[in-house]
Amino acid sequence: GENVEQHPSTLSVQEGDSAVIKCTYSDSASNYFPWYKQELGKGPQLIIDIRSNVGEKKDQRIAVTLNKTAKHFSLHITETQPEDSAVYFCAASKEGSGGSNYKLTFGKGTLLTVNP
Amino acid sequence: DAGVIQSPRHEVTEMGQEVTLRCKPISGHDYLFWYRQTMMRGLELLIYFNNNVPIDDSGMPEDRFSAKMPNASFSTLKIQPSEPRDSAVYFCASSFRTGRGYTFGSGTRLTVV
Repeated sequence: GENVEQHPSTLSVQEGDSAVIKCTYSDSASNYFPWYKQELGKGPQLIIDIRSNVGEKKDQRIAVTLNKTAKHFSLHITETQPEDSAVYFCAASKEGSGGSNYKLTFGKGTLLTVNP
Repeated sequence: DAGVIQSPRHEVTEMGQEVTLRCKPISGHDYLFWYRQTMMRGLELLIYFNNNVPIDDSGMPEDRFSAKMPNASFSTLKIQPSEPRDSAVYFCASSFRTGRGYTFGSGTRLTVV
């Protein structure tokens, strides 16, 4: 089955700096890569996702890049703010079509701390 | 929409007791997933349903774990008998057929003493 590795496990940055979290996946058939943010005491929340037909996607201060050849994808957060502090998870799945089922395999998570 | 609703939020039980966790998915979502989260193992998929039918239960750790989805708006995860190593946060998530990502509930923190 799919295996997703995520690095680093912890990341501490100063407010205003950029943060980068990297993930690799093992199954070349995976084609959907979401990122989730989990705040203390809450469930993971989807913040951005990318499909294998694009190499980059941006949403304000958040961007995700995908390298299908190398089987890795990354989350980039610019101009970090204290409220960005949370655990971030990457995930991968094989989306089908016409009703095919799918399931997400998650990385182990990265604890991001943004220091004021 | 109120999102995915899980109950209870916290559960403390003694070893050997039966525990039932409950989940109400988002209306219209046809996939439902049960995950377990621990520091050591991260987020583990236990089982998922499509249109109320179990599709993959390969993540269910032992026969002590069972899950049901009697209708589109309700699912349960049962552990009987419970053991201390079952202590974790259990999440339910639901989604559309494809491409929409999951919506997670707030989780149930289970402590077995």
